[in-house]
Amino acid sequence: SYELTQPPSVSVSPGQTARITCSADALPKQYAYWYQQKPGQAPVLVIYKDSERPSGIPERFSGSSSGTTVTLTISGVQAEDEADYYCQSADSSGTYPVVFGGGTKLTVL
Amino acid sequence: EVQLVESGGGLVQPGGSLRLSCAASGFTFSSYAMSWVRQAPGKGLEWVSAISGSGGSTYYADSVKGRFTISRDNSKNTLYLQMNSLRAEDTAVYYCAKVMATPLEYYFDYWGQGTLVTVSS
Repeated sequence: SYELTQPPSVSVSPGQTARITCSADALPKQYAYWYQQKPGQAPVLVIYKDSERPSGIPERFSGSSSGTTVTLTISGVQAEDEADYYCQSADSSGTYPVVFGGGTKLTVL
Repeated sequence: EVQLVESGGGLVQPGGSLRLSCAASGFTFSSYAMSWVRQAPGKGLEWVSAISGSGGSTYYADSVKGRFTISRDNSKNTLYLQMNSLRAEDTAVYYCAKVMATPLEYYFDYWGQGTLVTVSS
């Protein structure tokens, strides 16, 4: 299996842009996905296939990929965006289908 | 509307057993793989197990292999997780999740609210 590495925390002021990175060797071969989790709640999918946004997710959420790093960008951050964010990918080896990053706590100052 | 409702969590002693259930609605249950993901208190997400739509293929994390068994009853639209030989480190909120899987994609598009399992004497 492999690991996905995220920064433990990111802080931004309201209205600014937050960028959360996720890196791993296998990412160029597998898509990455992003989940938002607020305290006491279940995770919610906010980005799939590196950059696609599910219906109902605000346009300020976007995703991108470059080399071995994928990035979740939240433009015009709002107080309600304060949450933990997890990246996820799949291992094509078949023995460990799913891997999550360690999570990033986004703090809105 | 997709709904996933977990049940069966609770307090169990080390070495004990517990069976979790996840009742699904709002989609054709048998057409989708399903998975369990857990989260220990104050920790990140950890994938636990997955099962194909037919139930014919199952997958487990190394941390639970040989102790946990995933299954499904497509006639009841219900997913299960039988947990045996429980350890303190299995203490977590267990989430049921619907899987979107293709040869190039594997992710969770819907999650239940979770059920807490506490392993303690």
